[in-house]
Amino acid sequence: GQQLNQSPQSMFIQEGEDVSMNCTSSSIFNTWLWYKQDPGEGPVLLIALYKAGELTSNGRLTAQFGITRKDSFLNISASIPSDVGIYFCAGQARGYQKVTFGIGTKLQVIP
Amino acid sequence: SAVISQKPSRDICQRGTSLTIQCQVDSQVTMMFWYRQQPGQSLTLIATANQGSEATYESGFVIDKFPISRPNLTFSTLTVSNMSPEDSSIYLCSVEMDSVNYGYTFGSGTRLTVV
Repeated sequence: GQQLNQSPQSMFIQEGEDVSMNCTSSSIFNTWLWYKQDPGEGPVLLIALYKAGELTSNGRLTAQFGITRKDSFLNISASIPSDVGIYFCAGQARGYQKVTFGIGTKLQVIP
Repeated sequence: SAVISQKPSRDICQRGTSLTIQCQVDSQVTMMFWYRQQPGQSLTLIATANQGSEATYESGFVIDKFPISRPNLTFSTLTVSNMSPEDSSIYLCSVEMDSVNYGYTFGSGTRLTVV
């Protein structure tokens, strides 16, 4: 089956720093999704990417759909304490609606 | 996008018993998805539930252990049967966001602890 490798698995950063995390897949995805999960909550969709090479922003967040269709990255600029949480990448293969999730990146922001 | 109400939000259950989790959506949706998130882990799809047909289970999940109902287009239940401590997880319901914006909306989850 499809596998997603997400890195890093955890990060400690100073408030105000930029953050980058990425996902790679063993196979091609048609759609990449980035979610954030706060403690005690379900994941919330941050950004959805639909085509190779696409670069999309949502406030301080920027995500890109890799040209090869096998990778994506998420950048967070000027981090703030409320950015703390677990960030998941997720991908959907062409013609199949199952969504595969990465293992998550746990982000800690030090004020 | 769709709003999901999931309950209970948490429960502590005795091993050998069963728990039914409810998922209510504020709009009609074709497919509903049930995920499991084990402690410190990612989300794993248990099954896809379509109204009017039997749920489709992923590898490693069986109907006898996780029976699902989908009586209408806004509601579904997942039962965790004959529970053991290994079933302690967060169980999440998910639906497509809407017909225009791609992506999936999740409920806030049910945190299950089996003792």
